[in-house]
Amino acid sequence: AQTVTQSQPEMSVQEAETVTLSCTYDTSESDYYLFWYKQPPSRQMILVIRQEAYKQQNATENRFSVNFQKAAKSFSLKISDSQLGDAAMYFCAYSPSNEKLTFGTGTRLTIIP
Amino acid sequence: GAVVSQHPSWVICKSGTSVKIECRSLDFQATTMFWYRQFPKQSLMLMATSNEGSKATYEQGVEKDKFLINHASLTLSTLTVTSAHPEDSSFYICSARVDRAYNEQFFGPGTRLTVL
Repeated sequence: AQTVTQSQPEMSVQEAETVTLSCTYDTSESDYYLFWYKQPPSRQMILVIRQEAYKQQNATENRFSVNFQKAAKSFSLKISDSQLGDAAMYFCAYSPSNEKLTFGTGTRLTIIP
Repeated sequence: GAVVSQHPSWVICKSGTSVKIECRSLDFQATTMFWYRQFPKQSLMLMATSNEGSKATYEQGVEKDKFLINHASLTLSTLTVTSAHPEDSSFYICSARVDRAYNEQFFGPGTRLTVL
């Protein structure tokens, strides 16, 4: 069975600084997708970034980027120039071609003004 | 684009009653919708996968007779919690798959169910 592990229950970062959230996963599939979702206090799940496993290039969305290491089964999220609005729960998620998402346990990110 | 709504946003009911939660894709057609349950300070747990026009596929440990799922159209899926009990109190979230190529799910805002 596929598993997703987020080893950091909580993280904090000073406003305008950079923070990296860790995620590892376990799978025997070769073709799959990886996602980072953000869940603010409103509890609305928001897609932050996604990565297709067949792509070697790391995905980037403005201040958000990933470090995808396929061999190591690692998918970390880097947030640059952290802003107060980035405070939320962040969930790493994995999905093989059958489209079912498996979520990690989440990392609560606090932004320190 | 890719907006998913849920109704109601919150509901309080008495033990033993049934509650229906609607999930709608507002600006796209979703052949597949998913239902999740989230307990406080925990991750999302997939309950079932709903395909339009066919029976839902339930995850192991989820009682299909208690959590009835209907996906009657490409824009609407419903979750009915039958004979609700206090332990069914939770946050229920639906999602809809937009584009097979990206395998991406868009999420509704969730429904908080409290059973007294």
